[in-house]
Amino acid sequence: QQQVKQSPQSLIVQKGGISIINCAYENTAFDYFPWYQQFPGKGPALLIAIRPDVSEKKEGRFTISFNKSAKQFSLHIMDSQPGDSATYFCAASNSGGSNYKLTFGKGTLLTVNP
Amino acid sequence: KAGVTQTPRYLIKTRGQQVTLSCSPISGHRSVSWYQQTPGQGLQFLFEYFSETQRNKGNFPGRFSGRQFSNSRSEMNVSTLELGDSALYLCASRTGGVNYGYTFGSGTRLTVV
Repeated sequence: QQQVKQSPQSLIVQKGGISIINCAYENTAFDYFPWYQQFPGKGPALLIAIRPDVSEKKEGRFTISFNKSAKQFSLHIMDSQPGDSATYFCAASNSGGSNYKLTFGKGTLLTVNP
Repeated sequence: KAGVTQTPRYLIKTRGQQVTLSCSPISGHRSVSWYQQTPGQGLQFLFEYFSETQRNKGNFPGRFSGRQFSNSRSEMNVSTLELGDSALYLCASRTGGVNYGYTFGSGTRLTVV
């Protein structure tokens, strides 16, 4: 059972455009939602994370939007740059729970054309 | 501050062999988790250790095992390797108090031939 569904699988954006990646979750016990960025040959690196007590969090060009009632959250990359080309993963966890793991979406391969 | 260190970076093994992968967490981090990454299945949780105790295990066969030492370093072992075990194996560490703040290593790329 896939508990976090991510779309699209791949995304091509022009330099300067907005990249949008969406995720939906099923487990209402999840209360921590991070996004990871992964470059080839590297491990995932934490990009930005949100908790459900806020609807939006912005860090530089990266923004997470969160809709608790719809159980959805999304990553917006403003003014996308070729250096943003990477695979992005959304994830979710129960931060105070005892399962001690992150549940990941399947990933989105972002290509930003110059 | 040194990050999460995984060794070796690359491994080629033959079907039926066994393999041991190593992970050194960030200094002060007492929790180590292991994930398997494949193109088809994405990132899947293998197990998590805290203070030398396995606290959670993912849905993998018993051929996959792990352990954690008193200095928080961790190893995972895969016995009787199958072609389908070819993957990037990632280790993540965190302080262990709460279920967030994971830092991943660069992984070990295992190829089974």
